[in-house]
Amino acid sequence: QSVLTQPPSVSAAPGQKVTISCSGRDSNIGNNYVSWYQQLPGTAPKLLIYDNDKRPSRIPDRFSGSKSGTSATLGITGLQTGDEADYYCGTWDSSLSVVVFGGGTKLTVL
Amino acid sequence: QVLLVESGGGLVKPGGSLRLSCATAGFNFRDYYMSWIRQAPGKGLEWISYISGGGSNIYYADSVKGRFTISRDKATNTVYLQMNNLRVDDTAVYYCARDYLGGRFDPWGQGTLVTVSP
Repeated sequence: QSVLTQPPSVSAAPGQKVTISCSGRDSNIGNNYVSWYQQLPGTAPKLLIYDNDKRPSRIPDRFSGSKSGTSATLGITGLQTGDEADYYCGTWDSSLSVVVFGGGTKLTVL
Repeated sequence: QVLLVESGGGLVKPGGSLRLSCATAGFNFRDYYMSWIRQAPGKGLEWISYISGGGSNIYYADSVKGRFTISRDKATNTVYLQMNNLRVDDTAVYYCARDYLGGRFDPWGQGTLVTVSP
């Protein structure tokens, strides 16, 4: 069981918007920054969002992040078939003294 | 262009050893922490170790503590992961990543597969 909880799967049609949740506790999300990663099939993870809501310059603004309390959310607008991937949240856990990840969410663009 | 390239994976029997390498280029190596993160087949991500830019600050996840050793060579801009007493549940793709701390890793290498099997 992962320390951070994500839904196993989400789906939406091309052009639509989807959100992926990541739930934790005070020791991780509640008091630390959250990052989000995209892992396309057969490839390494890629950083999408860091510090809760910041995007590396190469990441399009269709991707957004937010955090409230002990939960974080990744939003993707204007869905494309190329967005089909696994998405992971991650953060530091101050109690465990390790980086923790969610179990991953598989996005299907129908 | 920042580049990370892992090597050294392969098939090994339980109790055996492997040394993974992560060659880096395109950034000031000594300024950054580096981490190893693994992904078992069909599973999620597991962070296992980091090392500071100067090599003095090192940390391991409990799952590998006492068996794995992380190190870095500033002359060749390479990070290593020495893995001893390997177990079947160490089977995974091992990624190295530049570590900004707090769960921010960017970029990641392409990964190297380690298979531990009798």
